[in-house]
Amino acid sequence: DADVTQTPRNRITKTGKRIMLECSQTKGHDRMYWYRQDPGLGLRLIYYSFDVKDINKGEISDGYSVSRQAQAKFSLSLESAIPNQTALYFCATSDSTRQGLGEQFFGPGTRLTVL
Amino acid sequence: SQELEQSPQSLIVQEGKNLTINCTSSKTLYGLYWYKQKYGEGLIFLMMLQKGGEEKSHEKITAKLDEKKQQSSLHITASQPSHAGIYLCGADIHGAQKLVFGQGTRLTINP
Repeated sequence: DADVTQTPRNRITKTGKRIMLECSQTKGHDRMYWYRQDPGLGLRLIYYSFDVKDINKGEISDGYSVSRQAQAKFSLSLESAIPNQTALYFCATSDSTRQGLGEQFFGPGTRLTVL
Repeated sequence: SQELEQSPQSLIVQEGKNLTINCTSSKTLYGLYWYKQKYGEGLIFLMMLQKGGEEKSHEKITAKLDEKKQQSSLHITASQPSHAGIYLCGADIHGAQKLVFGQGTRLTINP
């Protein structure tokens, strides 16, 4: 079984709809991240959480919100989706006890299309 | 502008040839991470470099972090079709315990 899972894997929605992307991990890591990937722009950090009570904005948090329901679960919401939020979204985890930032483990991604 | 610049953005090489991908920052890199991504899939960790001058190898892939800790290179020897994909470098350049990524290098291996 995958250590980091994301649901759904693909989603097509319309402008103005509320969308939630979910991430679960079985690695026991305390840190979790949400990124989006757009062609030619690499990965950009949306939100990150160092533990259940710690939520931080990344470089592109506008239009997004998150919830860390448990150490193993971190969800990303688009309150009112717009077309320029069409992208590939990745969840990642890491262990704060590892040296430096530690290796990040990525989920398989969610491809979101906003029409 | 990108805080981490990768070059080239796209690379096409013949199977068996060597190649190098670069990752450059204007700031000191507090740890440099290389990842590989198959198209449309998640990222797979390759290597982490933390000390200036550090060099690590895994199979036919070697990564180096320069002495000034502002540039890293990823070198693939005798490329194979399995090396095809997108290579991304990530680094903590703010000392803020989070990664900034380069824009990625798309590698194609022709038979």
